[in-house]
Amino acid sequence: AQSVSQHNHHVILSEAASLELGCNYSYGGTVNLFWYVQYPGQHLQLLLKYFSGDPLVKGIKGFEAEFIKSKFSFNLRKPSVQWSDTAEYFCAVSPSGYSTLTFGKGTMLLVSP
Amino acid sequence: GAVVSQHPSRVICKSGTSVKIECRSLDFQATTMFWYRQFPKKSLMLMATSNEGSKATYEQGVEKDKFLINHASLTLSTLTVTSAHPEDSSFYICSARDVTSGLNEQFFGPGTRLTVL
Repeated sequence: AQSVSQHNHHVILSEAASLELGCNYSYGGTVNLFWYVQYPGQHLQLLLKYFSGDPLVKGIKGFEAEFIKSKFSFNLRKPSVQWSDTAEYFCAVSPSGYSTLTFGKGTMLLVSP
Repeated sequence: GAVVSQHPSRVICKSGTSVKIECRSLDFQATTMFWYRQFPKKSLMLMATSNEGSKATYEQGVEKDKFLINHASLTLSTLTVTSAHPEDSSFYICSARDVTSGLNEQFFGPGTRLTVL
């Protein structure tokens, strides 16, 4: 069975700082990778996803993630965060061809103005 | 597009009673819906996968007689927590997969906060 590890439970940044949230997964086969965001009081929304092709994936709101197969990683990045990026971020993995998602424990990002 | 709703958003019930939570895909058809449980400061844990017109597939450790799932149509799945106990208090989230997209992507509902007294 697959598993997902997110390195940080809480991250605090000032506006304009750069962001990198770590995500590692364990699974022996081909995977689909996702980052979801949950803003306060709102439901989970898809930020970006990787299925195949270019390992550098660009998502909404200036976020991007890079799939490094050799490291089993899919880290999320944003060059300059805004106060509105305050939210909880979840990394998720699914074996290719299957729809079941396994989530990491989430990282709570707090951006101070 | 791709909106998923849940009802109710919050429910408080007495121990021993049953609670039904609805999950609807509003603008797309979902052959597959998923039910998750989210504990405070923890990840979403998949409880079961619900396929339209067939029995749900439960994850290991999830009691199927306690968490009854019905997926009678392409836009509606229900989760019934039977004989609820305080330890069932949690945040329950559903998601739905768009059957027409061909992609392995789920759209999530806003969740239902269940409190059992």
